[in-house]
Amino acid sequence: KAGVTQTPRYLIKTRGQQVTLSCSPISGHRSVSWYQQTPGQGLQFLFEYFSETQRNKGNFPGRFSGRQFSNSRSEMNVSTLELGDSALYLCASSLYGEGNNEQFFGPGTRLTVL
Amino acid sequence: GDSVTQMEGPVTLSEEAFLTINCTYTATGYPSLFWYVQYPGEGLQLLLKATKADDKGSNKGFEATYRKETTSFHLEKGSVQVSDSAVYFCALRDNTGANSKLTFGKGITLSVRP
Repeated sequence: KAGVTQTPRYLIKTRGQQVTLSCSPISGHRSVSWYQQTPGQGLQFLFEYFSETQRNKGNFPGRFSGRQFSNSRSEMNVSTLELGDSALYLCASSLYGEGNNEQFFGPGTRLTVL
Repeated sequence: GDSVTQMEGPVTLSEEAFLTINCTYTATGYPSLFWYVQYPGEGLQLLLKATKADDKGSNKGFEATYRKETTSFHLEKGSVQVSDSAVYFCALRDNTGANSKLTFGKGITLSVRP
């Protein structure tokens, strides 16, 4: 069974641009969560999607948004990029996102904002 | 809100040494507790978990016991190997409602020398 895949693996953008990251969950998984990882703030929860609906949201500005498609694939978008958005963005999927369902993480997308 | 505190790092040990990584948490409810490991260039992997007080999670020689009275979930291993070199994250998930959100500690880098 294929794991969680994220594309692209690396991205370089400039301030003010926007970016879209993609996550394909493990087949059959319906919950997808996104996290931002930085040296200073560590791992922070961005949002979770379940059955195409945002179920939970972290404390990030509205420039960060996401969506989930009917096949459970998810995208996150960051508009008007700032230098501080440089980070590793991790996606995780699980069957139902509750109880004892294990979350499986992808390798991440490394975003660099210049 | 929920929070996880890990001991400061990095930690450097010799092969076969005993490992303890401290983790304490603050949560309003009765969370599930996790240890994740991140190898260079990879996403997070679940190392072990515990879902209720006094549960002991174990995997690959690592152990951690959910201590509600001290709100702790310390990670231990009796004899570390060079291959255990990685970043270790303690995390909790609030079991109130249906959600996948994980709250992580800052992580600690472990280096094991031969």
